[in-house]
Amino acid sequence: EDKVVQSPLSLVVHEGDTVTLNCSYEVTNFRSLLWYKQEKKAPTFLFMLTSSGIEKKSGRLSSILDKKELFSILNITATQTGDSAVYLCAVEVTSGTYKYIFGTGTRLKVLA
Amino acid sequence: DAGVIQSPRHEVTEMGQEVTLRCKPISGHDYLFWYRQTMMRGLELLIYFNNNVPIDDSGMPEDRFSAKMPNASFSTLKIQPSEPRDSAVYFCASSSWTGLNTEAFFGQGTRLTVV
Repeated sequence: EDKVVQSPLSLVVHEGDTVTLNCSYEVTNFRSLLWYKQEKKAPTFLFMLTSSGIEKKSGRLSSILDKKELFSILNITATQTGDSAVYLCAVEVTSGTYKYIFGTGTRLKVLA
Repeated sequence: DAGVIQSPRHEVTEMGQEVTLRCKPISGHDYLFWYRQTMMRGLELLIYFNNNVPIDDSGMPEDRFSAKMPNASFSTLKIQPSEPRDSAVYFCASSSWTGLNTEAFFGQGTRLTVV
């Protein structure tokens, strides 16, 4: 059965701290790995990763994929209170058609 | 495009009643996904469609759940009869198989409460 596991489940930090969120997966027919941010509404897309070792960056957020060890990390530097959210990892799997398997998320709270 | 549109945003119903959730995907997207989100289980894939055809409904919890996509711009998820354990946020998402950018775009969700 396809599985996506995120850790930690929750995290509380202070503004300015750097955090690392983890996502490991066991799936068949891997195509890509995606990160989403969910505040009090719909998940919004952050990154899609398809190749190992290539870092994707967007401002203070960055992510990298290791397809050999089957995991990805999402880093947030100089955290701000606006970074407080649930961060979701999803793996896109394909076998003719395709679908997304989500982890349960990491709940991040950034204190002022 | 207005994005993925779901209705209603909130639904409170009594146990045993029929509930219908609605979704309008982004125009041109050929994939539509229904997810259920709870604190305990996170985002669970219930069913997904490709070109209006149901591909995989193995995530549908019971026969009380059914989904249809009569055309490219509309889908419904029906629960009949509803039970308190169905209380959750139900998300619809759509995407396009472009070969490069295939991220899913989510609607705002329907928060269902069954009392």
